Amino acid sequence: ETGVTQSPTHLIKTRGQQVTLRCSSQSGHNTVSWYQQALGQGPQFIFQYYREEENGRGNFPPRFSGLQFPNYSSELNVNALELDDSALYLCASSLESVGYGYTFGSGTRLTVV
Amino acid sequence: RKEVEQDPGPFNVPEGATVAFNCTYSNSASQSFFWYRQDCRKEPKLLMSVYSSGNEDGRFTAQLNRASQYISLLIRDSKLSDSATYLCVVPRYGGATNKLIFGTGTLLAVQP
Repeated sequence: ETGVTQSPTHLIKTRGQQVTLRCSSQSGHNTVSWYQQALGQGPQFIFQYYREEENGRGNFPPRFSGLQFPNYSSELNVNALELDDSALYLCASSLESVGYGYTFGSGTRLTVV
Repeated sequence: RKEVEQDPGPFNVPEGATVAFNCTYSNSASQSFFWYRQDCRKEPKLLMSVYSSGNEDGRFTAQLNRASQYISLLIRDSKLSDSATYLCVVPRYGGATNKLIFGTGTLLAVQP
């Protein structure tokens, strides 16, 4: 059974650029949630994807968008990067959208300069 | 008021000590609770689940007080390897979505 994998592990971008982060869900999991963790804070829910559709969204602007593919992998896209977007982005997969069994990936650390 | 609040610490304790962390939550309808452990620059990992009054797993005990809306985590006989950030987590249901609401975490440093 494979876990959740995220890529890339680290990324440096310039303010105003766009970024795409990728996540492969754990085998058998059909739901992917994305979280943003700023330094010294707990993870904050960005959105969730279930059956290739956005299934809930946190308090993040529209420049944060995502996709889920038929194999349940997912992408997080952020446009017009701001300095405050610098954070650890975590992907968590689960079985069904209301499941308890969340498995987190090791995250992508994004630095915006 | 934040949905989930924790004392950020840091808690500096010697090896062998007993340490307790508290967490308060605002949604009285919450039914389940979790403690996650997060090592520096790593992902959170589930430590314990709490569905009723409490749960015990070896040196770790989690207790739930619904009347006061707080959850505690007790670590007995602290080890150096227990040094990490401990995150209190409360799931929130919104229709068909279950999202995790995290506290800011409590940093524990166990000293030799």
